[in-house]
Amino acid sequence: GAVVSQHPSWVICKSGTSVKIECRSLDFQATTMFWYRQFPKQSLMLMATSNEGSKATYEQGVEKDKFLINHASLTLSTLTVTSAHPEDSSFYICSASGMQETQYFGPGTRLLVL
Amino acid sequence: GIQVEQSPPDLILQEGANSTLRCNFSDSVNNLQWFHQNPWGQLINLFYIPSGTKQNGRLSATTVATERYSLLYISSSQTTDSGVYFCAAALTGTASKLTFGTGTRLQVTL
Repeated sequence: GAVVSQHPSWVICKSGTSVKIECRSLDFQATTMFWYRQFPKQSLMLMATSNEGSKATYEQGVEKDKFLINHASLTLSTLTVTSAHPEDSSFYICSASGMQETQYFGPGTRLLVL
Repeated sequence: GIQVEQSPPDLILQEGANSTLRCNFSDSVNNLQWFHQNPWGQLINLFYIPSGTKQNGRLSATTVATERYSLLYISSSQTTDSGVYFCAAALTGTASKLTFGTGTRLQVTL
């Protein structure tokens, strides 16, 4: 149990385009979903927290107009990187938690902006 | 916010050896998790352990919340144990907003 999927796993795009990443909890209802970013050989940094049906809470320094998060249902959250630039290239990972405190992580999405 | 530090940063073991990874955190926590990140980037839950001791096969973990540290023990290491081990903690009352440690990069050789 507790499986989280992400799609796509890889995306390459041109500078200026927008990219949408989906995060799904497959076998449980996720009351809260989290989005992280990881640069090579570094730790994970929390970008935002989202609860189903409400606006996401962004961490300090994360541009909410750049990284749009929608948590439309108890099993789906999306992260849209708007007008992507090369500095947005990174590994984006989502996680989901249900009634318990444990977070379960998706496999991640590697974004390369050319 | 909470500070989470891990040691050692890098570790090379021969297959079959045992090891202890340490995680120190700066404040009271109500959530402490250990993860293994495999070479493809997938984070695998190892333990949810805000306090006490748990064991799962060759792995075990102990958290001493009053002294603000957690330990992950790996016994009889295998090459498949290679990867990065992260601990992550959430402050009491912050709805599981995890702060990740710096990680320990483990390489197990034959």
